[in-house]
Amino acid sequence: DAGVTQSPTHLIKTRGQQVTLRCSPKSGHDTVSWYQQALGQGPQFIFQYYEEEERQRGNFPDRFSGHQFPNYSSELNVNALLLGDSALYLCASSADRGLNEQFFGPGTRLTVL
Amino acid sequence: QQQVKQSPQSLIVQKGGIPIINCAYENTAFDYFPWYQQFPGKGPALLIAIRPDVSEKKEGRFTISFNKSAKQFSLHIMDSQPGDSATYFCAASRNSGYALNFGKGTSLLVTP
Repeated sequence: DAGVTQSPTHLIKTRGQQVTLRCSPKSGHDTVSWYQQALGQGPQFIFQYYEEEERQRGNFPDRFSGHQFPNYSSELNVNALLLGDSALYLCASSADRGLNEQFFGPGTRLTVL
Repeated sequence: QQQVKQSPQSLIVQKGGIPIINCAYENTAFDYFPWYQQFPGKGPALLIAIRPDVSEKKEGRFTISFNKSAKQFSLHIMDSQPGDSATYFCAASRNSGYALNFGKGTSLLVTP
């Protein structure tokens, strides 16, 4: 049983560009959350998707947007990239409408130059 | 603002020692408190979690102690091994599946 998978593994972009990160949840999971982890810090919650709707949102600007597909996979989009967006982006999935533990993927390392 | 405060920032213990990591929170609506372990280049992995209706929970060598009145909880690692060397994060949320509020992490080194 594959766990949470994310693509790509690494990504390098320049300021002002746009990026899309992808996540496939663990089998049987219906809820996906995204977190940003800056170097040396704990993960910060960006938003959560359930039934293709954004259910919760953290303190992130509108440049960060997402989507969940009918197969429960999800995308994170970041527009107008800033140097400060450089971080590890983590996807976590959970089951039963999100009422169970969250399992994290390996993350996508985004570097903005 | 940081909703969960974690200490110490780093910790070095000898093999067999018992490292202790502490966390404190303010939001009394939090009712789920997990600990995650993260190795370099990997995502966080759930170690153990506790809810406020119990004061202690053990799973293998890992123990969570919870003090609801003080709004504090801690992780103890019994008989620590070099393979336990990693970064540990405490977190808190209103529900196990909702937004997790993480501490800043503790870098643990277990020397042989």
